[in-house]
Amino acid sequence: EAGVAQSPRYKIIEKRQSVAFWCNPISGHATLYWYQQILGQGPKLLIQFQNNGVVDDSQLPKDRFSAERLKGVDSTLKIQPAKLEDSAVYLCASRKLSGAGGTDTQYFGPGTRLTVL
Amino acid sequence: EDQVTQSPEALRLQEGESSSLNCSYTVSGLRGLFWYRQDPGKGPEFLFTLYSAGEEKEKERLKATLTKKESFLHITAPKPEDSATYLCAVQAWGAQKLVFGQGTRLTINP
Repeated sequence: EAGVAQSPRYKIIEKRQSVAFWCNPISGHATLYWYQQILGQGPKLLIQFQNNGVVDDSQLPKDRFSAERLKGVDSTLKIQPAKLEDSAVYLCASRKLSGAGGTDTQYFGPGTRLTVL
Repeated sequence: EDQVTQSPEALRLQEGESSSLNCSYTVSGLRGLFWYRQDPGKGPEFLFTLYSAGEEKEKERLKATLTKKESFLHITAPKPEDSATYLCAVQAWGAQKLVFGQGTRLTINP
C-alpha cells in the first residue's frame, strides 16, 4: 500500500513570496490533516478535512494560509505572503475512518521543508 | 486545553544501556495516546496506540505503558539504529486531531 505522498520535498523562497504544497493521501482515507512542525517542536495541526469539507481550521492563520481538498482526495496548502516565521516542515497525514469515535492511526508523509529568507 | 509534555528533551545512551522516556499529559478525556518515531528529514512513523490505564504494548526493543497521567516508552538494550526523535500525542474524546509533545531526541552511541 502506497503511503502519503507530498511535494515538493524542499522549498526556499523570499519573504512575501507565495508557495504551495501538495499532498496525496493513502487511497481510501477520508480524513486528511496538515501539520506545521517548527524545528525542535512537535507537529501542530493547521487544518483537518473530512472528505472535501473542513472539520477544524481553528489554528490556521487565515490571513495568509489557505487549503483546499477538491474531490476529497488530493489537497493543497498555500501560503501568501510568506513570513520568516513560516519556516518549518509542513506535514500531511491521513486517516482511514471519519468521525470522532474512530482512533485509526494517522499516517504521515515525508513533509515539505520550507525555508523563508 | 489538552497538553503533552515530554522528558527529557534529549537523551544520549550507550548501546545496550536501557532507559525510559516520559510523556505527561492533561486531556479532557483520553481517547488514545500515540507514540511515533521520527528520523531526520522524515515524517513521523507510527509505533503504538494505548487506550486505557494499565495497557502495555511491545515492539522489538520498545515497550509503551500508560497510566492516568503519563506514558512511558521503555527501550531495552538499544542499538544505534534506535536513534531518533520519539513523539507522544494524545487524542481526546470527541476530537479527531492529535496534540503532540515536543519530542525526545534519543541518541544511541555504539
